[in-house]
Amino acid sequence: GAVVSQHPSRVICKSGTSVKIECRSLDFQATTMFWYRQFPKKSLMLMATSNEGSKATYEQGVEKDKFLINHASLTLSTLTVTSAHPEDSSFYICSARIGTEAFFGQGTRLTVV
Amino acid sequence: RKEVEQDPGPFNVPEGATVAFNCTYSNSASQSFFWYRQDCRKEPKLLMSVYSSGNEDGRFTAQLNRASQYISLLIRDSKLSDSATYLCAVIRSNQAGTALIFGKGTTLSVSS
Repeated sequence: GAVVSQHPSRVICKSGTSVKIECRSLDFQATTMFWYRQFPKKSLMLMATSNEGSKATYEQGVEKDKFLINHASLTLSTLTVTSAHPEDSSFYICSARIGTEAFFGQGTRLTVV
Repeated sequence: RKEVEQDPGPFNVPEGATVAFNCTYSNSASQSFFWYRQDCRKEPKLLMSVYSSGNEDGRFTAQLNRASQYISLLIRDSKLSDSATYLCAVIRSNQAGTALIFGKGTTLSVSS
């Protein structure tokens, strides 16, 4: 089946630095990818929809200047958490769909110290 | 009102029990519904899609009630391996496109 690969799976960074997370569709082209964030014991919250070749669409309350999304090719979307703070520590996960079926990356556990 | 709402539980049941989860959605125009399973610190895995007529897959049964805008998941003969968080999800369609929106998830713990 279709596979979505996310990298890195785990990252620890210092407060104030930026972190880039990659999401790749391995055997299909994805014009749209989705980025979610999940805090411990909380729901998977949709952050933004990444559109190949155009600007991402952000959910209400998500700062687009803090969470930079780039979808430069049909198989790669990146999420950059800029000037990370401890409150940004979370599980970030990407997704791509084929029809109505969603495929998820393995997730990235970000810890900001 | 949240787009998708679930009782977070936890549900603690013995092996062999039958357990049911419900999930409500706010947009009456929603067309596609799903149940996902998520293990700790892992990505969600599709458990089953939910069809209007209801559908069954082994010990799992999913049903949709459009009039009341809720979907349900029934697990029969619970196994220890069923312990996980179960997320309902709905496809949202708006001007920005379509996106999969999740409920908070219901935690199930099956004990021997």
